[in-house]
Amino acid sequence: IAGITQAPTSQILAAGRRMTLRCTQDMRHNAMYWYRQDLGLGLRLIHYSNTAGTTGKGEVPDGYSVSRANTDDFPLTLASAVPSQTSVYFCASSEGQGHEQFFGPGTRLTVL
Amino acid sequence: DQQVKQNSPSLSVQEGRISILNCDYTNSMFDYFLWYKKYPAEGPTFLISISSIKDKNEDGRFTVFLNKSAKHLSLHIVPSQPGDSAVYFCAASSNSGGSNYKLTFGKGTLLTVNP
Repeated sequence: IAGITQAPTSQILAAGRRMTLRCTQDMRHNAMYWYRQDLGLGLRLIHYSNTAGTTGKGEVPDGYSVSRANTDDFPLTLASAVPSQTSVYFCASSEGQGHEQFFGPGTRLTVL
Repeated sequence: DQQVKQNSPSLSVQEGRISILNCDYTNSMFDYFLWYKKYPAEGPTFLISISSIKDKNEDGRFTVFLNKSAKHLSLHIVPSQPGDSAVYFCAASSNSGGSNYKLTFGKGTLLTVNP
């Protein structure tokens, strides 16, 4: 693989269920990010990680959690999904000192 | 409080003409600006960037202009091609306060280039 992969590509989920979106990068980037994209709202940062072992909250962190056990993986967990979490989720990574972020292909999540 | 604003949700231009996409920001601590391009069902891809120490950066058909006093930047695409049709996001970051890893995005502008 090259770049960032996300899984699943899409998912329909019942409200109240737990869901983990997976993100893996093979560029050995220090920093990783999770965004959600909603129509008319652009890209909003959910959580980020500057380096393995550290995480931080972004603009819209409520209802989401992340972990960064190693450099390559940055899973996003919805503990109890709600319909307002219906969105397209993008994972991204960057070298850390630089500003350019590389994005994955996205996961389209629908919560019913 | 929206710190990065793209006030035009959409823009339509003819092939071969210039496309100008605009972006305004309110946070004076922003010192690095980027443009991303996004096709449907794909992730955003980096297009071009500019540091606050410059007022212009050019890469082929794409030029970004920065006016710090007006807190305004623009992306010029010349000549526009149908393949340029996409959503363009403006983004900004700051090196201060340990937040230099995070980008703040605008809401995007949908560019349509008509053949």
